[in-house]
Amino acid sequence: GIQVEQSPPDLILQEGANSTLRCNFSDSVNNLQWFHQNPWGQLINLFYIPSGTKQNGRLSATTVATERYSLLYISSSQTTDSGVYFCAVERRSNYQLIWGAGTKLIIKP
Amino acid sequence: GAGVSQTPSNKVTEKGKYVELRCDPISGHTALYWYRQSLGQGPEFLIYFQGTGAADDSGLPNDRFFAVRPEGSVSTLKIQRTERGDSAVYLCASSLTGGELNEQFFGPGTRLTVL
Repeated sequence: GIQVEQSPPDLILQEGANSTLRCNFSDSVNNLQWFHQNPWGQLINLFYIPSGTKQNGRLSATTVATERYSLLYISSSQTTDSGVYFCAVERRSNYQLIWGAGTKLIIKP
Repeated sequence: GAGVSQTPSNKVTEKGKYVELRCDPISGHTALYWYRQSLGQGPEFLIYFQGTGAADDSGLPNDRFFAVRPEGSVSTLKIQRTERGDSAVYLCASSLTGGELNEQFFGPGTRLTVL
């Protein structure tokens, strides 16, 4: 099956710092989504990005489908950015999302 | 509704009991998905509905798990003879039409604890 690997597994930064999170996947996919899971467990949609680059405020994402990776950029980090960031890819055959193990981000004030 | 809702938010039960978890998708979304998330891991797919029918139930772990969506909107995940290993957060998601190129939106989850 499709393998999804995220790096780094853990990241601790000071408020105001920038970061790059990576997602590699092992096969062709329909699409890719980035989520933020807040400390209360809610999954918040960040980007729906099968290819190309998108930006939303301090966050941006780039997916290079031909090379099977995606990057999530967070600039000027705030404490509210803390949580786990998941990458999930949609399998071509049955549309289910296959998830990475996540990157746990801690932003210190 | 404005988003995907799930009830109850927490469920504690005893080993061997039967439980039902409910999901109310975003209004107008025809595709509905159930996932299960264990502590420290990403969610795992359980079942996918397109309308009233289960289009793919390959993720259900065994025949103790069953899900229905009789009117193509609300779905219920049913677990018989619960085991301690069933303890997890059960997540529901919906998307506009399913199929290719459809963004999934998630509910807050139901935390199931089997004692």
